[in-house]
Amino acid sequence: EVQLVESGGGLVQPGGSLRLSCAASGFTFSGHDMHWVRQTGKGLEWVSAIGTAGDTYYPASVKGRFTISRENARKSLYLQMNSLGAGDTAVYYCVRVSPCGNYHCFDHWGQGTLVTVSS
Amino acid sequence: QSVLTQPPSVSGAPGQKITISCIGSSSNIGAGFDVHWYQQLPGTAPKLLIFGNSNRPSGVPDRFSGSKSGTSASLAITGVQVEDEADYYCQSYDSSPSGLDWVFGGGTKLTVL
Repeated sequence: EVQLVESGGGLVQPGGSLRLSCAASGFTFSGHDMHWVRQTGKGLEWVSAIGTAGDTYYPASVKGRFTISRENARKSLYLQMNSLGAGDTAVYYCVRVSPCGNYHCFDHWGQGTLVTVSS
Repeated sequence: QSVLTQPPSVSGAPGQKITISCIGSSSNIGAGFDVHWYQQLPGTAPKLLIFGNSNRPSGVPDRFSGSKSGTSASLAITGVQVEDEADYYCQSYDSSPSGLDWVFGGGTKLTVL
């Protein structure tokens, strides 16, 4: 059974940093691209992606502040978040990607970890 | 504001057919990118519901169907049931200066009356 378990969320002050972790099990972690997706009251937002070769991708909203990484030997995914602001307050999901038709889709999601940015 | 536009809410009585639209543009759905749909039951993480515009993963009931045309896509539930009450999100891809962004609709809350 595919399992993705996030940790590391919590309360952080504006301008602060936080590192999220995701422990994967039940599948060949090294064989899948992995993403982080966050959810606020406004809906879902893609936050970052890392390919099997370690290539990384970010939307403009977090580029330069967030860093995604992976450690295949530990079957772990990470998200280093710096210069956090109130707009980064959200539930952060670790998400597995698999081929879906002509493209890829988010086929397994973790339960999420809450990040609150507040003074 | 989301790149893909969905109605904030829809409702229907058990057994009715409901549809949820997902409107994009020439830089995402209209560029030929696939649309996927996710269901989020209350208090849980999103779950893949429809992939590649119209395909159901194993285990998803056949009352759920998806379609795509031009710059928009739709999710239909034929014979909606009480347990289908959830939030539904469409997702596609959008060309950006930095490459390809994964984009979502704002979500639609389905209420089964």
